[in-house]
Amino acid sequence: DAGVTQSPTHLIKTRGQQVTLRCSPKSGHDTVSWYQQALGQGPQFIFQYYEEEERQRGNFPDRFSGHQFPNYSSELNVNALLLGDSALYLCASSSGTRDNEQFFGPGTRLTVL
Amino acid sequence: KNEVEQSPQNLTAQEGEFITINCSYSVGISALHWLQQHPGGGIVSLFMLSSGKKKHGRLIATINIQEKHSSLHITASHPRDSAVYICAALSYNTDKLIFGTGTRLQVFP
Repeated sequence: DAGVTQSPTHLIKTRGQQVTLRCSPKSGHDTVSWYQQALGQGPQFIFQYYEEEERQRGNFPDRFSGHQFPNYSSELNVNALLLGDSALYLCASSSGTRDNEQFFGPGTRLTVL
Repeated sequence: KNEVEQSPQNLTAQEGEFITINCSYSVGISALHWLQQHPGGGIVSLFMLSSGKKKHGRLIATINIQEKHSSLHITASHPRDSAVYICAALSYNTDKLIFGTGTRLQVFP
């Protein structure tokens, strides 16, 4: 049983570009959460998708958007990249209702030059 | 002040030592997670608990809801335990995970 997978593993972009990161949840999970982890910091919640809709959102600008597909996989899109967007982007999946344990993917390391 | 605070920030130990990492939180929670992050980034969920104590092998997690405090213990530590350990509180009100900044553990042979 594959756990949470993310692609790509590493990515280098320049300021102003756009990026799309992808996440496939653990089998049987229908909820995907995205986090940004800056170097030396704990992860920060970006948003959560459930039933193809954004259910919750953290304090991130509208440049950060997402999508969930019918197979529960998800994408994170970041437009107009800034240097400060350089971070590890983590995806976590869980099953439906609140309080369920989240399982994390390996992350995508984004570097913005 | 962060809503989730961990101590210590850095910890070094000799192989075989008993390790304790502490986590305090100021929000109402429905659960608390302990996570392990190795160099390279991948996060592994160690425990999710809302009361009492849980044990997996050499790892033990406890939580005191009244005191808003949790501890992660590692018995007979080993160099392969070297990692960053992160405490994350699942806020009851917002249903969001709030993360501590992590404790970097290095265990030397």
